[in-house]
Amino acid sequence: AQSVTQLDSQVPVFEEAPVELRCNYSSSVSVYLFWYVQYPNQGLQLLLKYLSGSTLVKGINGFEAEFNKSQTSFHLRKPSVHISDTAEYFCAVIRRSGAGSYQLTFGKGTKLSVIP
Amino acid sequence: EAQVTQNPRYLITVTGKKLTVTCSQNMNHEYMSWYRQDPGLGLRQIYYSMNVEATDKGDVPEGYKVSRKEKRNFPLILESPSPNQTSLYFCASSLRQGGPDEQYFGPGTRLTVT
Repeated sequence: AQSVTQLDSQVPVFEEAPVELRCNYSSSVSVYLFWYVQYPNQGLQLLLKYLSGSTLVKGINGFEAEFNKSQTSFHLRKPSVHISDTAEYFCAVIRRSGAGSYQLTFGKGTKLSVIP
Repeated sequence: EAQVTQNPRYLITVTGKKLTVTCSQNMNHEYMSWYRQDPGLGLRQIYYSMNVEATDKGDVPEGYKVSRKEKRNFPLILESPSPNQTSLYFCASSLRQGGPDEQYFGPGTRLTVT
């Protein structure tokens, strides 16, 4: 079975400091990788995605993520966070699970708190 | 504007009183799904639909029903709600099930069952 592990449930960080939110997945087949962000009292929205090609993916709001196939990781990074980045971040993985069928799995989320 | 809408946004009800949460998308997406979000458990899929009249169970389907009579609508039905169904519910849609497509989420429905 596919699993997605977000290693930290909460990450506090000071404003303008760098941050890395970690995501590891288990899959023996090719995957597609996503990061979603959920701001307080809102639904989830796409931050960035990796489908193929360059392993470094840039998203909205200055975030980027790197796909590492050998370590089965897709960690999210930002060099300098702002108060407005306070939100919950979800890693998600899509893999092919059968003929014409795909399985989508979300991680349990990481709450990023930016401290002024 | 492309969007997924849910109604109501907040609902407080009592055990056993049937309720329906509506979900509608205006993007002509084939795939729609319902999730519940609980602290420490992340998002868990309740039901999904690959197209009209094609629905299937997700990870936590017990106590829920769905229907997909039109492409744009995917209501979630709780025939006899119980307190353990108190949660934050999200509807989502994507272009198709058979591809690496982005999910579009509604704003959420916070349900409290007393």
